[in-house]
Amino acid sequence: EAQVTQNPRYLITVTGKKLTVTCSQNMNHEYMSWYRQDPGLGLRQIYYSMNVEVTDKGDVPEGYKVSRKEKRNFPLILESPSPNQTSLYFCASSLLGGRAVEETQYFGPGTRLLVL
Amino acid sequence: DAKTTQPPSMDCAEGRAANLPCNHSTISGNEYVYWYRQIHSQGPQYIIHGLKNNETNEMASLIITEDRKSSTLILPHATLRDTAVYYCIVGWGSGGSNYKLTFGKGTLLTVNP
Repeated sequence: EAQVTQNPRYLITVTGKKLTVTCSQNMNHEYMSWYRQDPGLGLRQIYYSMNVEVTDKGDVPEGYKVSRKEKRNFPLILESPSPNQTSLYFCASSLLGGRAVEETQYFGPGTRLLVL
Repeated sequence: DAKTTQPPSMDCAEGRAANLPCNHSTISGNEYVYWYRQIHSQGPQYIIHGLKNNETNEMASLIITEDRKSSTLILPHATLRDTAVYYCIVGWGSGGSNYKLTFGKGTLLTVNP
């Protein structure tokens, strides 16, 4: 089954404790992206990756890191989480991303993070 | 900034057609209209997209006006499981740059028994 998976689905942590949220897709997509969703603010893009070893900032990259060492994986790293990073996070992927004239994105199930 | 305008909420009776409007008066010639939905904090799900012509798939139909300044998503026989926030998004079609979907506030569709 074609899908985007995220782990963990729920996470409670404390300020400053490094954490990683994993994202994996099995569709051989080149493009992957991370969004966060907060009440009243909608979905905002954090980082994206056009292909292996190619990443760039989205609209709200502060406090986050990403890496793309393999095509299927795109982990989101919070080196020193803070309470304002409490949010619902979504990973997404698409086949060609910016090089396609029309395309759809596939979203993971979400990771709900609480930083105390 | 969001380039679409949608009503914040709508109700629909189960089994009836749900017609969700979207205004996108500033759409450019190569931009597509996409519809996604999000069921209670799950990941957004693609529904349908179109450029100029009306489109239909197994989930829904998309009617785009001739001037392309507005569109309507039609769920022909709404069920309780169609209760969700529906997002109308315009963009893409340029074939370049970051493929970022800009989600507005969407329309909360509530399907009632």
